[in-house]
Amino acid sequence: DTEVTQTPKHLVMGMTNKKSLKCEQHMGHRAMYWYKQKAKKPPELMFVYSYEKLSINESVPSRFSPECPNSSLLNLHLHALQPEDSALYLCASSDGPGANVLTFGAGSRLTVL
Amino acid sequence: GQQVMQIPQYQHVQEGEDFTTYCNSSTTLSNIQWYKQRPGGHPVFLIQLVKSGEVKKQKRLTFQFGEAKKNSSLHITATQTTDVGTYFCADGTSGTYKYIFGTGTRLKVLA
Repeated sequence: DTEVTQTPKHLVMGMTNKKSLKCEQHMGHRAMYWYKQKAKKPPELMFVYSYEKLSINESVPSRFSPECPNSSLLNLHLHALQPEDSALYLCASSDGPGANVLTFGAGSRLTVL
Repeated sequence: GQQVMQIPQYQHVQEGEDFTTYCNSSTTLSNIQWYKQRPGGHPVFLIQLVKSGEVKKQKRLTFQFGEAKKNSSLHITATQTTDVGTYFCADGTSGTYKYIFGTGTRLKVLA
């Protein structure tokens, strides 16, 4: 069982749709992450929030918009996506930077038509 | 920028055979973490190594950190079908939130 919960598990959207991915953790972790993972590839860092502030944006296109409403919640708002954005989107949390362990959610599998 | 490469990319073994994956970094690693991702699943933390030359064991899994802290290895003795998945190393650089994942090694175990 994962302590990081992601919804929805699967999402299919058109290129003109607006949707959101949600992530919740109740471990009291101070950092939350969004990773994108394509098939047979490692997770790629997109965004990091530390103490509810955006601390890393890995030059992600603006059609992906992260939001951290509080220390337990992380959203990823999606708008005008492209088919190549289809991937597994993984949320993770950690207690701090660097040597702290990442705990991943089960992921949201996104298909863009 | 930093690159973390893993070899081999794929490995098929007969159940009961041993398996090793190697993780090599272009820069010195602060620490190395290992994760396992089952097919259709998400990465799950296995272990973290911090000290130069460190060796840690978890049942049939043995993890090593190189003396120069630029490489690491994961060795599985007598593989089982439950070992199937992709094994990633990750550099958890101290003081940053940038965890750089290695390219991964996908293990298939044939019964």
